[in-house]
Amino acid sequence: AQKITQTQPGMFVQEKEAVTLDCTYDTSDQSYGLFWYKQPSSGEMIFLIYQGSYDEQNATEGRYSLNFQKARKSANLVISASQLGDSAMYFCAMREGVGTSYGKLTFGQGTILTVHP
Amino acid sequence: EAGVTQFPSHSVIEKGQTVTLRCDPISGHDNLYWYRRVMGKEIKFLLHFVKESKQDESGMPNNRFLAERTGGTYSTLKVQPAELEDSGVYFCASSQVGVRRSYTFGSGTRLTVV
Repeated sequence: AQKITQTQPGMFVQEKEAVTLDCTYDTSDQSYGLFWYKQPSSGEMIFLIYQGSYDEQNATEGRYSLNFQKARKSANLVISASQLGDSAMYFCAMREGVGTSYGKLTFGQGTILTVHP
Repeated sequence: EAGVTQFPSHSVIEKGQTVTLRCDPISGHDNLYWYRRVMGKEIKFLLHFVKESKQDESGMPNNRFLAERTGGTYSTLKVQPAELEDSGVYFCASSQVGVRRSYTFGSGTRLTVV
């Protein structure tokens, strides 16, 4: 069974500094996708970044990058130059790759990030 | 394009009552998913529609939960009768068939059973 582990219940970072949110996963599939979502206090789930298991380059989206280490089964999110608006809950998730009708996401427990001024 | 819309945004009902949650996916997205986050726990998958067919309903907790997607457009999730442990935030997400990285979530419905 698939499993996502986020070991940091809470993280603190100073504004303008970088922060890494940890995520490890467990799967027997060769084809899978890894996602990070941000959930601010307003409740919506905002897509941040995606990494496919066969992607050779680490994914980047603006200030977000994904440190993908396949052998270690880790997919850490790096946020550079933190902003106060980055304070939120962050979820790591994994998707099974099943043909064209892609299946469910399995989520980690989440990490609450607090950015201090 | 319009995003995934869920309503109501909040619902407070008494134990034993019935509640129906609605999700309108992004137009053209054949995949529709329901998830739930119970307080303090991780987000859990409930079920997955492809158009109007249930592709995977392995996450549905029990037969008090009924999901439908008539005509392959919007979906409803009915809880009847509601129990205290059903309280949580119910998320809907949609994605296009064949697009591997596209899962767009709605803002969720916060259900409180008292």
